[in-house]
Amino acid sequence: GAVVSQHPSRVICKSGTSVKIECRSLDFQATTMFWYRQFPKQSLMLMATSNEGSKATYEQGVEKDKFLINHASLTLSTLTVTSAHPEDSSFYICSATTGQGAWNTEAFFGQGTRLTVV
Amino acid sequence: GENVEQHPSTLSVQEGDSAVIKCTYSDSASNYFPWYKQELGKRPQLIIDIRSNVGEKKDQRIAVTLNKTAKHFSLHITETQPEDSAVYFCAASTSYNFNKFYFGSGTKLNVKP
Repeated sequence: GAVVSQHPSRVICKSGTSVKIECRSLDFQATTMFWYRQFPKQSLMLMATSNEGSKATYEQGVEKDKFLINHASLTLSTLTVTSAHPEDSSFYICSATTGQGAWNTEAFFGQGTRLTVV
Repeated sequence: GENVEQHPSTLSVQEGDSAVIKCTYSDSASNYFPWYKQELGKRPQLIIDIRSNVGEKKDQRIAVTLNKTAKHFSLHITETQPEDSAVYFCAASTSYNFNKFYFGSGTKLNVKP
């Protein structure tokens, strides 16, 4: 299947600093990627839709100035957690699909990034 | 937006028994329903999916059923094995949102040898 790579897999940062997480589609072009957040033993919560060449669309309750998303190319989306605080500690995971339109193909997930803010 | 509910939150079965996980969704426009298996600290992996134009799909020991009228779908695992132990998530998506998924809360399946 298609490969989505996420980097870094783990990051520890100090409170108040910013952290950038990359999501790459390695063998296909993804005009749309999605960012999710997962708390321990909980479900994946959709944060935003990352659109290549345009602004991201955020889900209700997600601060767009806190979680900056850039989708500069067809294979790369980045999520920057700005001025991180301990409550931002979580597992962040991206997904991308190979298809568009009706009857989509499978969505592929990155391996996730474990963010710990100390 | 879409609201997906999943039950049970935990499920323990004896090896060889069947396991059933149920989900309901709220948005009648949803037409794609994948099921993902996630092992601890790893990415979700698609195990089976169903589109709204069919009512049932089977792949070896795994099957999914969909009732569009009632807006619910279920995952059935037969002859469970210890390696089936993981967290399972259902999700719902509408085609015009390019696999923008709304996930259920997850079911932790424990298969006892």
